Amino acid sequence: AQKVTQTQTSISVVEKTTVTMDCVYETRDSSYFLFWYKQTASGEIVFLIRQDSYKKENATVGHYSLNFQKPKSSIGLIITATQIEDSAVYFCAMREVITGNTGKLIFGLGTTLQVQP
Amino acid sequence: NAGVIQTPRHKVTGKGQEATLWCEPISGHSAVFWYRQTIVQGLEFLTYFRNQAPIDDSGMPKERFSAQMPNQSHSTLKIQSTQPQDSAVYLCASRHRGNQDTQYFGPGTRLLVL
Repeated sequence: AQKVTQTQTSISVVEKTTVTMDCVYETRDSSYFLFWYKQTASGEIVFLIRQDSYKKENATVGHYSLNFQKPKSSIGLIITATQIEDSAVYFCAMREVITGNTGKLIFGLGTTLQVQP
Repeated sequence: NAGVIQTPRHKVTGKGQEATLWCEPISGHSAVFWYRQTIVQGLEFLTYFRNQAPIDDSGMPKERFSAQMPNQSHSTLKIQSTQPQDSAVYLCASRHRGNQDTQYFGPGTRLLVL
């Protein structure tokens, strides 16, 4: 069955440091897409970065990067040089690619990141 | 481009009343998704439209919930006879075309059923 698990409920870091958030997933598909979103204090859900399962290179966007370990079904989010405004809830999500699949996202429960001065 | 627009942002209803939530997808996006977010269940898929046609409603509660997309510029989620357990944030997301595209979320409608 499809499942996304984020084991870290909350993380607190000092600004300008690097943080890694974990995510593992379960799927029967050989092809799938993985996403990270963040939800700000206002409730807005913002797309951050994605990894296509067929790509070996880890995706990078700005100060976000991914650690994709396909054999371990793991997709970690790395934020470098954290800023106070990075404080938010971070969600990992998966979308399978099978015939007839609608593209719905399966989400983890989220990791709350607090960046302190 | 404006993002996904959802109205109202907040809605309070009494138990047994009807609630209609509106979503305007990003212009040019052909797919619309509805999700529900609660503290206990997290983000859950409800239903999906592509080119205005209903494709997957596997996440919709079988009773009282319905969704429509009468034209490419808006979709509605209707909850009849609302119950306290329907209290949640209802999120709409749109996607450009293919399954490989990214979904972009609206700000959500916070529904409180008293």
